[in-house]
Amino acid sequence: EDKVVQSPLSLVVHEGDTVTLNCSYEVTNFRSLLWYKQEKKAPTFLFMLTSSGIEKKSGRLSSILDKKELFSILNITATQTGDSAVYLCAGFSGGGADGLTFGKGTHLIIQP
Amino acid sequence: NAGVMQNPRHLVRRRGQEARLRCSPMKGHSHVYWYRQLPEEGLKFMVYLQKENIIDESGMPKERFSAEFPKEGPSILRIQQVVRGDSAAYFCASSPRSLAGGPSGTDTQYFGPGTRLTVL
Repeated sequence: EDKVVQSPLSLVVHEGDTVTLNCSYEVTNFRSLLWYKQEKKAPTFLFMLTSSGIEKKSGRLSSILDKKELFSILNITATQTGDSAVYLCAGFSGGGADGLTFGKGTHLIIQP
Repeated sequence: NAGVMQNPRHLVRRRGQEARLRCSPMKGHSHVYWYRQLPEEGLKFMVYLQKENIIDESGMPKERFSAEFPKEGPSILRIQQVVRGDSAAYFCASSPRSLAGGPSGTDTQYFGPGTRLTVL
């Protein structure tokens, strides 16, 4: 059975801190790993990672994939209160509709 | 406690036909969300429903798409006169409470396995 495990489950930091969120996966016929930010309404797509070792950046957020060790990290630098959200990681096996396996998420709280 | 159920898992339609996708939320969940996953674009929000009400349909295409969540039975996502661009995986998620108050835990939404729609 495919499995995606995120850690920590929750994290409280102060504004300006840097955080690292972890995601390990066991996904059959793995194709890519996706990160989402879930606030009040629905998950917002952040990154899709397919190749190992290539960092993707978007502003203060960056992510990298290690396909040998089967994990990914999401970094957020100079955190702001608006970064408070649940961050979801999902492994995608491609092809069929049952290829998306989500982790339970990391609940990140940024205190002013 | 069974998880979110979606059917069919795979659906093939010809251009111009109608597609009906069903989602049964987890027991005790009265909030349903539909997402579409297009290649290389990640998961995109379409519509949020509560029993008998559409709460937020800001992500729904204006034409051909509709959704309902009747008092009894599953939620239905209906696509009329399908086109090739509708081919995608459609995911449903359910939650026991509205997300309007902010996530209160790490498992606020439970996703179904999805329906893969292929339009020929």
